[in-house]
Amino acid sequence: AQRVTQPEKLLSVFKGAPVELKCNYSYSGSPELFWYVQYSRQRLQLLLRHISRESIKGFTADLNKGETSFHLKKPFAQEEDSAMYYCALSGASGTYKYIFGTGTRLKVLA
Amino acid sequence: DAGVIQSPRHEVTEMGQEVTLRCKPISGHNSLFWYRQTMMRGLELLIYFNNNVPIDDSGMPEDRFSAKMPNASFSTLKIQPSEPRDSAVYFCASSFSAGGPQPQHFGDGTRLSIL
Repeated sequence: AQRVTQPEKLLSVFKGAPVELKCNYSYSGSPELFWYVQYSRQRLQLLLRHISRESIKGFTADLNKGETSFHLKKPFAQEEDSAMYYCALSGASGTYKYIFGTGTRLKVLA
Repeated sequence: DAGVIQSPRHEVTEMGQEVTLRCKPISGHNSLFWYRQTMMRGLELLIYFNNNVPIDDSGMPEDRFSAKMPNASFSTLKIQPSEPRDSAVYFCASSFSAGGPQPQHFGDGTRLSIL
């Protein structure tokens, strides 16, 4: 069964500390993985996708097929990073729907 | 482009009333998705359309929920009759889907409260 697991509902870190938001997935084929971010009372927006292999707002995520993980990392958290983060998986061509994790709320403390 | 446009932004109504949520996808996008967001269950896919045709409605909770996409620029999600447990934020998203999954663009959502 296809599944995305984000084990932490809430993650609190101090400003300047490293951040790692965990995402594990279950999928039998070759998935495409995404991170979406939702700032307070705003729409969800794409943060990054694994095939782009880019860094957005200092965040990076590497797909680890052996561990079936796609953790989101940032070396130095900033207060404006406080938001809800969702990991999403999409499957093979022809199936365009996403499966979202339950989300992790990141709070960056001053 | 104004992005995905949803209306209304907020809806408060009494139990038993019919509720209709509206969505205008980004022009040129051919896939449209309806999601429900709650604290307990996070973001759940209700139904999605490709080229105006419903492809997967397995997430629709029960017969009280229905969705239509009469043309490429408009979709509705209807709840009839509404119940307090339907209270949630409902998001619409669209994407241009061809040759594989593409990023979805979300609307601002409709915050629905059923009293």
